[in-house]
Amino acid sequence: KNEVEQSPQNLTAQEGEFITINCSYSVGISALHWLQQHPGGGIVSLFMLSSGKKKHGRLIATINIQEKHSSLHITASHPRDSAVYICAVGVAGANSKLTFGKGITLSVRP
Amino acid sequence: GAVVSQHPSRVICKSGTSVKIECRSLDFQATTMFWYRQFPKQSLMLMATSNEGSKATYEQGVEKDKFLINHASLTLSTLTVTSAHPEDSSFYICSATRVPGGSQYFGPGTRLLVL
Repeated sequence: KNEVEQSPQNLTAQEGEFITINCSYSVGISALHWLQQHPGGGIVSLFMLSSGKKKHGRLIATINIQEKHSSLHITASHPRDSAVYICAVGVAGANSKLTFGKGITLSVRP
Repeated sequence: GAVVSQHPSRVICKSGTSVKIECRSLDFQATTMFWYRQFPKQSLMLMATSNEGSKATYEQGVEKDKFLINHASLTLSTLTVTSAHPEDSSFYICSATRVPGGSQYFGPGTRLLVL
């Protein structure tokens, strides 16, 4: 079993829809990261969180430490949100090393 | 702030040659830099962790003599793929942190194709 599991594997949505991407992990963590990777390959760090909830624009990330689960929400989705969304966890005591989920490919249709 | 650059963005080389990839933190000093590789449709895999002035720590299965890492300053780390082979063709990404345990800032990646 992977230490970081993401669901769903692929996701297609219509422009304007509310989207939720999930991440579950099985190890103790220092922090959880949500990353966005566009088709060209470049990676953008969206959020780093260790508790509660963070919001940036149309993106919201939440984490439940007890349940070892995090969600990334996208409100009013747009075709430019189409990308791979990767959940990564910083394993406790591992000096910033990240363990990555396989990523979810999101496609938002106009 | 917190911009990380990589050079080159794309490189094609012949089998047997060596290729150097640079990773720079442009507006901050990086205590630690990480090197990852990513095969198509797969997630990032950590190759090594690099701290300025000390030897890199390689992950299990990564050959340190093939993937030479030099972290010469707090803003520059280089990865040299020596005697490259077609199976080394991949997307190589670096990241950098300001402080231990802090956010990682990712470079745009370098796509290597070995013919």
